[in-house]
Amino acid sequence: DVKVTQSSRYLVKRTGEKVFLECVQDMDHENMFWYRQDPGLGLRLIYFSYDVKMKEKGDIPEGYSVSREKKERFSLILESASTNQTSMYLCASTPVFGGGYTFGSGTRLTVV
Amino acid sequence: EDKVVQSPLSLVVHEGDTVTLNCSYEVTNFRSLLWYKQEKKAPTFLFMLTSSGIEKKSGRLSSILDKKELFSILNITATQTGDSAVYLCAVDLYSGAGSYQLTFGKGTKLSVIP
Repeated sequence: DVKVTQSSRYLVKRTGEKVFLECVQDMDHENMFWYRQDPGLGLRLIYFSYDVKMKEKGDIPEGYSVSREKKERFSLILESASTNQTSMYLCASTPVFGGGYTFGSGTRLTVV
Repeated sequence: EDKVVQSPLSLVVHEGDTVTLNCSYEVTNFRSLLWYKQEKKAPTFLFMLTSSGIEKKSGRLSSILDKKELFSILNITATQTGDSAVYLCAVDLYSGAGSYQLTFGKGTKLSVIP
């Protein structure tokens, strides 16, 4: 089974801090994604990557950046955390030719 | 702009009822439609549909896609309290440069009461 592992289940950070959310998948998938999920808004795509060192903006990239230095790892970075970035963050991966997406368990980030 | 719309947004039924959840979409470069079930944490995969008119079935759940009318339905028969969850519909589409992305609907919250 494909595993997508997010390093933290819960995080509490202060406004202005730099925050790193890590995601690792173990099935050699080319595509990796970061979503955030908020009540009433569903899942929204922040960034995705289809290869090492490649990244594409999703629907809501403002305030975020990403890093994909190795195929298995996709990091989401909040340069200066703000309270409106309090959310559930989900990482997902898929092989280049599609198929079902596999999600990580999510990181619930609270910015105070 | 790519759009996925689910209805209803929430639904309360009694155990044993049959429910139908709807998902309509307007996207370019459609590749497939996926259904997920989300309880407390990450969504879990239910079905992927690529061809029109072919029903996918898993136990009491089934789903079908209509690519002409641009919608899909998810049916759950003989509902149980364990079916209570948010059901997410997503469309997998080609986003250029050899890459793909999912666009999600907002979900349907299903509550099954004993």
